[in-house]
Order: sequence, then C-alpha cells, then structure tokens
Amino acid sequence: SQQGEEDPQALSIQEGENATMNCSYKTSINNLQWYRQNSGRGLVHLILIRSNEREKHSGRLRVTLDTSKKSSSLLITASRAADTASYFCATDAADSWGKLQFGAGTQVVVTP
Amino acid sequence: NAGVMQNPRHLVRRRGQEARLRCSPMKGHSHVYWYRQLPEEGLKFMVYLQKENIIDESGMPKERFSAEFPKEGPSILRIQQVVRGDSAAYFCASSPRDRYYGYTFGSGTRLTVV
Repeated sequence: SQQGEEDPQALSIQEGENATMNCSYKTSINNLQWYRQNSGRGLVHLILIRSNEREKHSGRLRVTLDTSKKSSSLLITASRAADTASYFCATDAADSWGKLQFGAGTQVVVTP
Repeated sequence: NAGVMQNPRHLVRRRGQEARLRCSPMKGHSHVYWYRQLPEEGLKFMVYLQKENIIDESGMPKERFSAEFPKEGPSILRIQQVVRGDSAAYFCASSPRDRYYGYTFGSGTRLTVV
C-alpha cells in the first residue's frame, strides 16, 4: 500500500480561492515533502517539513504536520491559474534514506 | 547550476530492445535516486546510488533492470529486453549528503515501448 495518500484526488477552484489538500501516511518519518508536477513535466520541490516541526510557510504555501495523526496538509492561498498542477506528498522514512514514498497525488485545477 | 539533467527526454523502443536512460546529478550532489511513474500514479522508488555503490535497490524489478553510477559520468538506468509494461516516465533525483535539503528531480525520460 502507498505510504502517502492524498485527499482529495481532484480539486477544482477559482482564482483567488484557497486550496487545501491532505496527506496521510503509515510509518514513522524523518520528514515529509510536497512536490508539484505540471502535466507531463518533472517534479518541483515545494517544501520540506521535518518530523519535529508542526508548521511551515513558504510564500503562499502553508504546510502542517501532525505526527500523532500521521497526517499533513498543504494550503495554497489566493490561488492562481498557474497553480494548476498535480501535488504530491512524499514521506522520507525515519529508518531509511532516499526512498521517498509518494502518494497518487491531488490534481488541482484553478480556473480564471 | 543546470540542475538534474536527464536524457533523452523521450525514448521509443521496440519490444525486446534495450533502453538506456542517463542522469547527471546537480553539481555537488553525491546521491542519485531513480523513480518510475506510471500514468495517473505517483512515483515509485526504484534504486538509490552513490558513486560506484548501489545503496538500496529494493524497488528494482528482479530481472532486466540494472543501474549504475560510475566514478566518472552520469548514472545509467538500463532496461534490457523491454516490454510494453515498461512504458512509463522515469525520473532521476539527486541530493547532497544532508537529507534535509530535499531532493532535486530531473524532468524525466518518457519511455514508450511499441
């Protein structure tokens, strides 16, 4: 089974609205990362949050991490059409290195 | 800094041929990882390499797939006798020694087996 699982699978919003997506995982982690992938392109690293951190901000992005619930959320504020992409969470397990476990992603469509 | 360079971007092979995918990590990065992405799915870990060493190949299929990261030159993911099920996007990532800097991904190689 997948380590990181995103919810919802797809999200459609209008420009200016906020987009929230969640990620749940199963095992102990060293850190959790969020990536963006535009259609047919590579992955862009958005933000990394360590297991001892609870919240992190980067521009219009806000990530939270609740290790007791084994869950994370990614909030994109004031969305733009350019935010249209798939968003993946990936967990970096505490007992291994380099073996990121990706979920299936949340497909976000932002309409003007 | 050119980032992680993968080539070719697109590769078409007939069933039974060999596919060679190349990855040059970011300057200063000594760790290389290969992932495979099937359509509409997330990435699946395949192998983690350092120079001249395979650290973790637990995600590699047992047959036909091999990877190397020589002392000089790019990392190579090699798929022998390709089958249609090998059609996917293959991504390479690299990182420095400290895992807290995250991983930098290349743009991927899209392999199509016809």
